[in-house]
Amino acid sequence: SQTIHQWPATLVQPVGSPLSLECTVEGTSNPNLYWYRQAAGRGLQLLFYSVGIGQISSEVPQNLSASRPQDRQFILSSKKLLLSDSGFYLCAWSEETQYFGPGTRLLVL
Amino acid sequence: GENVEQHPSTLSVQEGDSAVIKCTYSDSASNYFPWYKQELGKRPQLIIDIRSNVGEKKDQRIAVTLNKTAKHFSLHITETQPEDSAVYFCAARDFGNEKLTFGTGTRLTIIP
Repeated sequence: SQTIHQWPATLVQPVGSPLSLECTVEGTSNPNLYWYRQAAGRGLQLLFYSVGIGQISSEVPQNLSASRPQDRQFILSSKKLLLSDSGFYLCAWSEETQYFGPGTRLLVL
Repeated sequence: GENVEQHPSTLSVQEGDSAVIKCTYSDSASNYFPWYKQELGKRPQLIIDIRSNVGEKKDQRIAVTLNKTAKHFSLHITETQPEDSAVYFCAARDFGNEKLTFGTGTRLTIIP
C-alpha cells in the first residue's frame, strides 16, 4: 500500500532563515505531487504541483520554491522566510484520488 | 478556471440529527468530487467521493449527492456523533486536470 511521509513534523524558524521541507511517497510510481499551505483556521492553498521529475507548476508567486529531484520526492524551499510563511504545510500525492501527508507545522518568529 | 463555493461555513447539529453541507462548482467539465474531513491539528482525510456518472453514493452514515444540471453536490451525514465534529472540505476536478479545486470548508460541531 502507499504511504506518504513528511518531515519535520514541527519547525520553529527565525525570520530571514532558509527552509527545506521534504516529502516522500512509497508504494507508487510517477505520482502527481502537491504542496499546500493552510493558515490557522483557514482553507487549503495550493502552492506547487508536479506531474513528473523536474516538472514543477507554481500556483502562487511568493518566496517559496519546489523541486522534485526523484520520482517520489518533493521538496519545498525558501531562501528567506517571512512571518507570513507560518502555517501548516501539507504534501499530497495522487494517481486519481488525492491523499495528504501528515503535515509540517511551521512557525516563523 | 474552476470555482467551488461551500456553505455553510459553520454548522452546529444536535447529536443524532443529520447534517448537510452543500457545494457548487462552475466548470461543467468537472467530473470528480471528493469530500475531506479534517480533525483539529490533523491532515485532511478522504471520506467519500463521487464521479459524474453517478448521482448518489453512500457509505454507512455518509452520503454524497450530485446534481450535474445545477452543478452542485452535497454531503449528508446521518445519526451524527461527537466524532463527526471536524472541518469538511469539498473539491472538484475535471478530467485531465491535475489539480483539485477546494471549497473554503465547513466547521461542523456536534452538540452532545
